[in-house]
Amino acid sequence: ELKVEQNPLFLSMQEGKNYTIYCNYSTTSDRLYWYRQDPGKSLESLFVLLSNGAVKQEGRLMASLDTKARLSTLHITAAVHDLSATYFCAVNQPNFGNEKLTFGTGTRLTIIP
Amino acid sequence: DAGVTQSPTHLIKTRGQHVTLRCSPISGHKSVSWYQQVLGQGPQFIFQYYEKEERGRGNFPDRFSARQFPNYSSELNVNALLLGDSALYLCASSFGLSEQFFGPGTRLTVL
Repeated sequence: ELKVEQNPLFLSMQEGKNYTIYCNYSTTSDRLYWYRQDPGKSLESLFVLLSNGAVKQEGRLMASLDTKARLSTLHITAAVHDLSATYFCAVNQPNFGNEKLTFGTGTRLTIIP
Repeated sequence: DAGVTQSPTHLIKTRGQHVTLRCSPISGHKSVSWYQQVLGQGPQFIFQYYEKEERGRGNFPDRFSARQFPNYSSELNVNALLLGDSALYLCASSFGLSEQFFGPGTRLTVL
């Protein structure tokens, strides 16, 4: 059974600092997603990573994928308050015949002014 | 273009009751998936339907059922509600079996 682990679970950081969220998964997958969720809201898609070594950047967020290590990172640069949210990674199970996503536990990020 | 829509937004039920949640996918999307998100956890996969056929089922009891209609909209039904069914229910649609786009969710509270 595919397992997805994120760390840290909670992250409190000051504005202007850099930090990284880690996502480990247990079996081979062909797609990894990062989502953002604000309290009481739905999931907002941030990145889709499809291949080993893939790197994508949007604003202060950058995501990368190492399929050999089964590891993805979400790097936050010079954090601002608007980035406060819960971040989830999700992994697709290949050859499953569908798009079943297994989500990590989430990282609750709080940016302190 | 309209995104994924879900109804109702919020719902309060009592234990033992039945509930039906509805989802309309993005126009042109033929696949709908359902997820349950309990407070403080990541979403858990319940069902996926593609072209009106069930393509996948998560580890949920038979009290949970779903269907997809000819217009690709979908319903999720939950019978004999338990307190533990209280959650945000998310619907996602995709074109084929590809990236999913999530709706706003239905917040179900079971008292």
